[in-house]
Amino acid sequence: NAGVTQTPKFQVLKTGQSMTLQCAQDMNHNSMYWYRQDPGMGLRLIYYSASEGTTDKGEVPNGYNVSRLNKREFSLRLESAAPSQTSVYFCASSEALAGEEDTQYFGPGTRLTVL
Amino acid sequence: AQKITQTQPGMFVQEKEAVTLDCTYDTSDPSYGLFWYKQPSSGEMIFLIYQGSYDQQNATEGRYSLNFQKARKSANLVISASQLGDSAMYFCAMRDLTTDSWGKLQFGAGTQVVVTP
Repeated sequence: NAGVTQTPKFQVLKTGQSMTLQCAQDMNHNSMYWYRQDPGMGLRLIYYSASEGTTDKGEVPNGYNVSRLNKREFSLRLESAAPSQTSVYFCASSEALAGEEDTQYFGPGTRLTVL
Repeated sequence: AQKITQTQPGMFVQEKEAVTLDCTYDTSDPSYGLFWYKQPSSGEMIFLIYQGSYDQQNATEGRYSLNFQKARKSANLVISASQLGDSAMYFCAMRDLTTDSWGKLQFGAGTQVVVTP
């Protein structure tokens, strides 16, 4: 069981370039999430997919798009990268249990630098 | 509005001693869950412990326990018998079911713990 995997681990982009961050989980989870982590701050939710076929905006969605490709995979796309998008990006997944106990498990993160 | 507050940016603790990490939260939902995650210097986020708002007892998981005081809206993490490998950033997070935040985890800013020999 690999859990949640993310590719790439590191990426450097120039302003205006585009890229897609890939995420996959093998835990048969229904919900998947994308977060960003900036220095001195906790994680902030960018987008999430409560179940296959649905996606919704989180706290900081501007400049990003997502695709829930199937139950296992959830990708995050930066169409025109900006220096403000320099961050560490985490993907997470959860079973989507009804109620408040729904633990999210995280991937190892992608460190993105936009020059 | 900030829903999770961790007031300790950093702290030092000696090996084998216990350490308490503070976390206060704000929600109007009677049903919510509180989570603690560990982020070592390698960067991954590791789930440690969960406490439900209706749980009668404080959660425990090995050397981790949660001091849950519902009336004060606090959920402090206690690490007993600290080890050098406990050096990491620790995040408190909450999941509630209010309309504008259904199902989403909201994180505090974190507390950096350094365990010294």
